[in-house]
Amino acid sequence: AQTVTQSQPEMSVQEAETVTLSCTYDTSESDYYLFWYKQPPSRQMILVIRQEAYKQQNATENRFSVNFQKAAKSFSLKISDSQLGDAAMYFCAYRSPWFSQGGSEKLVFGKGTKLTVNP
Amino acid sequence: EPEVTQTPSHQVTQMGQEVILRCVPISNHLYFYWYRQILGQKVEFLVSFYNNEISEKSEIFDDQFSVERPDGSNFTLKIRSTKLEDSAMYFCASSEAREGIQYFGAGTRLSVL
Repeated sequence: AQTVTQSQPEMSVQEAETVTLSCTYDTSESDYYLFWYKQPPSRQMILVIRQEAYKQQNATENRFSVNFQKAAKSFSLKISDSQLGDAAMYFCAYRSPWFSQGGSEKLVFGKGTKLTVNP
Repeated sequence: EPEVTQTPSHQVTQMGQEVILRCVPISNHLYFYWYRQILGQKVEFLVSFYNNEISEKSEIFDDQFSVERPDGSNFTLKIRSTKLEDSAMYFCASSEAREGIQYFGAGTRLSVL
């Protein structure tokens, strides 16, 4: 079974600075999807960024980018020019493609990293 | 922007009682999910639902749980006889396609006393 590990329960960053959140995962599959979701307090989780494992190029969405290291099974999230609105719980998640032998629709989550942004 | 909405935001119930958690997925979405997060633990998958059938369920989703899409807009999770260990945040999600992005609601906090 796949597992996702986020080793940083909490992180803090100064406004306008850059922060990197870590995520590692364990799988025997070669194709899969990886996600970062953001959950502000008392709000729904929203997708920040998605990466397909077959793509070597790291995904980028504005100030958010990932460092995807497939061999190392590592998927870190970098937030540049941090803003107060970035303060949230960040979840890393894994999903198998449904057509694979171990195919599944479910997301497998890490425990989350609480990010604080200091003004 | 369309959102997944969940009601109530907080539900308190007595052990042994039945509860129904309600979700309104995004209107053109066809795939529906329930997840839960026990305090301090990971978000865990419970069940996925498509075309009025369960398409996948986890070991957690035993006979005490059921899901239903009673009409064209709601998606519900029923727990027949709640236990203390059912206390958790329950998240509903929906997606347009099987491989699509899952959009989450803000969750219902269930407290079983």
